[in-house]
Amino acid sequence: QVQLVQSGAEVKKPGASVKVSCKASGYTFTSYAIHWVRQAPGQRLEWMGWINAGNGNTKYSQKFQGRVTITRNTTASTAYMELSSLRSEDTAIYYCVRGGSGQQLTGDWGQGTLVTVSS
Amino acid sequence: EIVLTQSPGTLSLSPGERATLSCRASQSVSSSYLAWFQQKPGQAPRLLIYGASSRATGIPDRFSGSGSGTDFTLTISRLEPEDFALYYCQQYSNSPLTFGGGTKVEI
Repeated sequence: QVQLVQSGAEVKKPGASVKVSCKASGYTFTSYAIHWVRQAPGQRLEWMGWINAGNGNTKYSQKFQGRVTITRNTTASTAYMELSSLRSEDTAIYYCVRGGSGQQLTGDWGQGTLVTVSS
Repeated sequence: EIVLTQSPGTLSLSPGERATLSCRASQSVSSSYLAWFQQKPGQAPRLLIYGASSRATGIPDRFSGSGSGTDFTLTISRLEPEDFALYYCQQYSNSPLTFGGGTKVEI
């Protein structure tokens, strides 16, 4: 069965960077995209960007352009999301999601990684 | 970007009743690229509906989706106790992908 297992919770200071990993199993990693979605406390879900795990092409939400970098390691079947210049508003749960046809999000989500930004 | 507005914000119902949730888009969602997710506290969202009306794998047939263009609806025909949760619509027609603000279905 498809599984996406994310790295553990992080606490960062403002201005720092965080890198969250998402290890995939149960399917051919390079055949699907991986999206990143976040959920800040009390806020709606927010899409950050995605990577074509096959060719490495990426697309980012303009809101995060310049601060977010999504990469992948095909050997390790793992995708990564790095967010820089962290501020308190970046405190959120970050999810990786397997992509479906086109830009569709499938039902395969990671368990979420809580990133707390606090001085 | 396409803004999705969900209504009502909260729906107070009893088990066995019918729930009708609305999602309105600020511009047309092409090819009905509209999905619905359910989320419970402490859990990742669960895909219910994609393509506006197709049920995801394992989703009971009491959940149905309809609509096109800018107006979409999620209907739960008879609420079960496990259906009391938060529901989000999401469009994947245009980038950036966007989500609605959610409808809470409570007892």
